[in-house]
This record gives sequence, structure tokens and C-alpha cells, in this order.
Amino acid sequence: QKEVEQNSGPLSVPEGAIASLNCTYSDRGSQSFFWYRQYSGKSPELIMFIYSNGDKEDGRFTAQLNKASQYVSLLIRDSQPSDSATYLCAVNTGRRALTFGSGTRLQVQP
Amino acid sequence: DVKVTQSSRYLVKRTGEKVFLECVQDMDHENMFWYRQDPGLGLRLIYFSYDVKMKEKGDIPEGYSVSREKKERFSLILESASTNQTSMYLCASISGDSYEQYFGPGTRLTVT
Repeated sequence: QKEVEQNSGPLSVPEGAIASLNCTYSDRGSQSFFWYRQYSGKSPELIMFIYSNGDKEDGRFTAQLNKASQYVSLLIRDSQPSDSATYLCAVNTGRRALTFGSGTRLQVQP
Repeated sequence: DVKVTQSSRYLVKRTGEKVFLECVQDMDHENMFWYRQDPGLGLRLIYFSYDVKMKEKGDIPEGYSVSREKKERFSLILESASTNQTSMYLCASISGDSYEQYFGPGTRLTVT
């Protein structure tokens, strides 16, 4: 079992809809969780992080963490074509480096 | 803004060559990382460094070595490049009290 699992997609949503991206992790001791966005040919950029159970909102983005169920999700409201990218979930599993999932490709249809 | 730079965006090398990939950060970060990214496999950690001259192996260190002589610079070395090392190489850094990694633009290495 991979330490951080994501559905590879593509996840296709119409413009203006809510995109929901999910991630599960295996290490119950994980303390911090990150979402990165990566456009094709570019490096990942940090968009959200969450440390505590519950929701954290930043503009159109909401990160949700449920440590009991070991999942973290990212909601993108009012999805735009410019949100089309691969979204990487990353988890701190006790060492300084992060462990990344393989990413979910999101396509927002105009 | 944190700035992480990498010496080359694209690099083509021949099998058996020694290859150096350079990474420089300008935020006085203690921790620096080298990842490779391959389709379907995500980012995999090769090596990281938590201080000058200090290094730790990541998940896939075989065939690679690293050097950190100065705090701002972290080099990845392919001792004898092989075709299975063709990949995108990403450098990242973070400060000592944070887990928010910032990435460089990446180096796409092709070994022929």
C-alpha cells in the first residue's frame, strides 16, 4: 500500500462547479498535510496546508482533514479553466521531507 | 518570496557521464531536498540535507550522491548517468520551523 494515495483522474468538472479532490494516507502519526498544484511542465506550487482536523478556507479553496479516517481533501469552488492542473497531496510522515501522492489531474471544461 | 533556482532547465547527457545538477536558494533555509518526478510515480525523494555538510538518503538514493558545502547550495551528482535516470529533477527547500516546501523550476534530464 502506498503511503499517500490519490486517484489519478482525470477529474472533469464544468466551469463554475465545485471540484473535489481526495487523498488518503497510511501513517496515523502524520501531522501536517499539503496540497500542491502543478501545471504541465512546471514545478509544484504550494496552495494550501492544514494541520488540524476540520476545514480550512483560503479564497476558493477549502482543505478538509479527518485524521480518524486518514483522509484529506481539497475543494475548489467556482472552478475555472485556469484551475486545470495536477493536484498533489503531500504528507509529513515524521521526517523532514514530505511524502507525495501521484497526483490527480483536474480538467475544468469551459 | 522564496526563490529556488536550478542551474539548467534542460540537460542532455550520454550514458556513463558524470552529471552535476545545482540548486540555490536565497532564503537561508536549513533544509534542502532533491526529488525526481516520473509519470505515474509522483515525486520521489532522492536525498535531503538539513545543514551544511549534512545529508540523509531518501527513498531512491542509488546511483546518486549529493554535496552541500554552503548553506544556499545543494548539488545532486549522478556518478555515471544511465538511461533510467532520465527524469525531471526538482529541488526544494524549507526553513527549520516549517514544512512548507518551495520548489525550483526543475531540470529535465535526458540520458542517451
